[in-house]
Formats: sequence, structure tokens, C-alpha cells
Amino acid sequence: NAGVTQTPKFQVLKTGQSMTLQCAQDMNHEYMSWYRQDPGMGLRLIHYSVGAGITDQGEVPNGYNVSRSTTEDFPLRLLSAAPSQTSVYFCASSFLQRRELFFGEGSRLTVL
Amino acid sequence: GEDVEQSLFLSVREGDSSVINCTYTDSSSTYLYWYKQEPGAGLQLLTYIFSNMDMKQDQRLTVLLNKKDKHLSLRIADTQTGDSAIYFCAEGDDKIIFGKGTRLHILP
Repeated sequence: NAGVTQTPKFQVLKTGQSMTLQCAQDMNHEYMSWYRQDPGMGLRLIHYSVGAGITDQGEVPNGYNVSRSTTEDFPLRLLSAAPSQTSVYFCASSFLQRRELFFGEGSRLTVL
Repeated sequence: GEDVEQSLFLSVREGDSSVINCTYTDSSSTYLYWYKQEPGAGLQLLTYIFSNMDMKQDQRLTVLLNKKDKHLSLRIADTQTGDSAIYFCAEGDDKIIFGKGTRLHILP
């Protein structure tokens, strides 16, 4: 099992550019989520999904879109990147019955 | 909204016990969690406790839950250098909210 796979691991963008962070899991987890981690801020929840076709906002959803067309994939889209979105992004997944989150290795995004 | 608070730093001598504290606001959570993050890595679940329990022990780890005060603690017995990491408290069912993390530093 690969677990939770995030791509790319590193990305540099210019202000205003768009991109998609990919997240895939092979554990048949219903629940998936995206967090951003900034120094001194811990992890902040961006969006989450409890199953295919269902998404909801977390603590800091502005500037980010998500979709969940399959159980395996949960991409995070930045439509117009801003320097404030410079961060490390983590995708996580779990079964609905037991919320033991399995995390990906993270994607480091820099917006210039 | 939901909030989870924890102190940012803790220094402990090797062999002593470490106690990391956390307070939370959402009393409706079924689960409360402790995660560990080592440098350059994602988070890993250390342990969790159901909200209807007061205590859970798992080898060197003891979790205490005081629902009245909305206070959660993690005790690590016989702290080792390998325990040096950032420890996150988290709560929630669908919307899982993390604290800012406590960096545990081990003194020789």
C-alpha cells in the first residue's frame, strides 16, 4: 500500500497563477481532508470530505477549491495564488468509523 | 468556533516524565487525539481517547481527559531522546481541529 500520496512535493508559483495539489489514497478511506501548516500556527483545516461527491469547508477555506469525484482522490485547487498561501500542505484520510488520520508527506508551496 | 489550545514548548530531562496539556472548546467531539510530528514528516497518530473515558493507558503513554474542564493531557513516561518531536492535540469528528503543537525538547 502506498498510503496517502501527495504531488508535487515542492512548487514555486507567481502571484495570480493557478495550480492543483493532488492527493490520492489507496486505503478505501471515506474521509479525506486538507490542512496547511505554518510556523507557530499549527495545522489549520482547509476543506474536508466524508465521501465521494461531498465536501465541506474547514477553518480557512478562502482561496481554495476542492472536489471529490472518486473515493481515492481529493485535489486542492488554488485559482489565483497569493503570497499568503505560501505554506506546507498536508492531505489526510481515514475511515469514517474511526478517525485515525493518515497523513501524506506534505507539499511545500511558495508563492512569489 | 472550535478551538484547541496548548503550550508551545516543553523541556524535559531524559528519563523523566513529560506532561503535555491541552484545552479545547467543542464538547460534542466523540474523539480526542494526540498526534506526533517528527522533523520534515507528516503527523502520525499516537493515541486517542473516547469522550466518555477519563483515562487511557498505552505502554509509556497515559491520556487523561477532564470533560468538565475540557482539558486533555498526554503523559510520556521515561522520556527518551526519540520522543523529541512536536505533539499536537486534536478534537472533532468531521471537522478535526488541531492545536498549534507543543515542541518537546529532551535534555541530556
